[in-house]
Amino acid sequence: EAAVTQSPRNKVAVTGGKVTLSCNQTNNHNNMYWYRQDTGHGLRLIHYSYGAGSTEKGDIPDGYKASRPSQENFSLILELATPSQTSVYFCASGDAKGGNSDYTFGSGTRLLVI
Amino acid sequence: GDSVTQTEGLVTVTEGLPVMLNCTYQTAYSDVAFFWYVQYLNEAPKLLLRSSTDNKRTEHQGFHATLHKSSSSFHLQKSSVQLSDSALYYCALKATSSGQKLVFGQGTILKVYL
Repeated sequence: EAAVTQSPRNKVAVTGGKVTLSCNQTNNHNNMYWYRQDTGHGLRLIHYSYGAGSTEKGDIPDGYKASRPSQENFSLILELATPSQTSVYFCASGDAKGGNSDYTFGSGTRLLVI
Repeated sequence: GDSVTQTEGLVTVTEGLPVMLNCTYQTAYSDVAFFWYVQYLNEAPKLLLRSSTDNKRTEHQGFHATLHKSSSSFHLQKSSVQLSDSALYYCALKATSSGQKLVFGQGTILKVYL
């Protein structure tokens, strides 16, 4: 069954440390996305990608980098984690064809930066 | 840029009564699809229903929504809510011409009481 898998599910990081969140999809979708979820803000787009080797800035990219080494994998990197990056992060994949096609979301990564 | 507004952060309703969750939007694009996602506690968002046709009612799992481009709205309704409908609901839009990015509203928590 096609799916989006995120790892780790939970992460505690130290302020100033490096954090890598990983995402793997078996949907063969070209597009992949990273969102963070915060109460009162909903889901906000951090970075996205149209395919292997491509990364684009979303609405709130500051403090984050992304990497898409292959069709299946899309990572979100926090080089210098800060407490304000404590959040729940969701990865998603989507069909590039557009129209009514929706996303497949991963189960989320809960990140706590102390 | 595109935006989606959900004015209610929390809606409480007694089981068996009707409910409407508000969603309005702004977009400069014409090739746009609209979505409602539902997210249960500690789970990923999942698609509830979608539409891109003006003035056409879309239904799924007892919920329905009608896209009204004249008023830039896509409200979600249910005639008789159940306890199991308690969840976080997101309205979202996606424009083909803006890179297939889902733009989410702030989310509305629906709490159903006996």
